[in-house]
Amino acid sequence: GENVEQHPSTLSVQEGDSAVIKCTYSDSASNYFPWYKQELGKRPQLIIDIRSNVGEKKDQRIAVTLNKTAKHFSLHITETQPEDSAVYFCAARALTSGTYKYIFGTGTRLKVLA
Amino acid sequence: NAGVTQTPKFQVLKTGQSMTLQCAQDMNHNSMYWYRQDPGMGLRLIYYSASEGTTDKGEVPNGYNVSRLNKREFSLRLESAAPSQTSVYFCASSGETGGNYGYTFGSGTRLTVV
Repeated sequence: GENVEQHPSTLSVQEGDSAVIKCTYSDSASNYFPWYKQELGKRPQLIIDIRSNVGEKKDQRIAVTLNKTAKHFSLHITETQPEDSAVYFCAARALTSGTYKYIFGTGTRLKVLA
Repeated sequence: NAGVTQTPKFQVLKTGQSMTLQCAQDMNHNSMYWYRQDPGMGLRLIYYSASEGTTDKGEVPNGYNVSRLNKREFSLRLESAAPSQTSVYFCASSGETGGNYGYTFGSGTRLTVV
């Protein structure tokens, strides 16, 4: 079945450095790739997304890149700040038996060290 | 606009008790989902409903039932709670029109089964 692999599971960076989280998906029919940030004890919240007809999207310090040929997409956070510390989940949306489903990665715990 | 509303926020059950988790969305979304998230883990899909009147199993459906009461509401029922069902439960909804594909999550229900 569909699968999304996410790496690394934990990531520590110094404040001001960049952080990169990578995801690989298995279903070539996937066409939408959101990223969610989950702070401790809170709900996941959408921070950025990309559709399959776009290679890169940027929103201030956050960017997402997509390589459809290799079936992987990445989250890039520049100039990291302590408030970026959270768990980040990638997801891939695919059509399965006539229904859209989202498959989530297992999450990356990002720690930004002051 | 409340988004996705879940009740209750916290619940403690004794083994064997039953309860229903309620979820309602006001975004006119067709699809609704129930996930569980164990400590330090990712999101696992329990059940989903692609549209009013339809429900399908996710990856961990055992011990749960769902009802899509109408387009707004999607409830999750535990008939006989077990300690293994101690978790945080998130409801989510998604729209497939208007260019907005991302999930909106509810604030979660923290369930403890003793």
